[in-house]
Amino acid sequence: DSGVTQTPKHLITATGQRVTLRCSPRSGDLSVYWYQQSLDQGLQFLIQYYNGEERAKGNILERFSAQQFPDLHSELNLSSLELGDSALYFCASSVAPGPNRYTQYFGPGTRLTVL
Amino acid sequence: DQQVKQNSPSLSVQEGRISILNCDYTNSMFDYFLWYKKYPAEGPTFLISISSIKDKNEDGRFTVFLNKSAKHLSLHIVPSQPGDSAVYFCAASLQTGANNLFFGTGTRLTVIP
Repeated sequence: DSGVTQTPKHLITATGQRVTLRCSPRSGDLSVYWYQQSLDQGLQFLIQYYNGEERAKGNILERFSAQQFPDLHSELNLSSLELGDSALYFCASSVAPGPNRYTQYFGPGTRLTVL
Repeated sequence: DQQVKQNSPSLSVQEGRISILNCDYTNSMFDYFLWYKKYPAEGPTFLISISSIKDKNEDGRFTVFLNKSAKHLSLHIVPSQPGDSAVYFCAASLQTGANNLFFGTGTRLTVIP
């Protein structure tokens, strides 16, 4: 158990809909990262938040957005869903700056299926 | 643009023998490298990491080797156990910026009892 929690574990929805994925980082971790893993692909970085502020963006679509709340949990919002958005979405967290700041610990993921 | 590559989609090894998983990268600015193991229906689990100032890091049965001139790293598992059967991802990071990870596409390791 990495200490990172994600809900829901599975999500099935229809095209055009909007969903919200939730992530709670490990206790004490200030950084939250979101990754997408499509079928048989590696994980692709979407976005990072650090202590409530957006830190970096990767290959995140404009239809997707995220935020990190004062209690450090994060939500990833996916709107106008398309079939191609079906994927595993992982959240990871890491510690504040220090010798282990590059090691990210991953949650179990949310499997999104768009029908 | 895949900056981290794992060219072997799968590897089968007999129990007790050595497993060697390989990874290549193209961005010479990467300075921190990690290996993750992933079981089905679970998130990636951190295994071992190495900074670019080192060429070897060992943790129990797992050793990571880094060859910066060749932009290549490898993960050695000795001895291999059936419980090691999983998908292994290589990842790289930059010290500056967001520290987000760039992942390879993974290698599925099967350890045969």
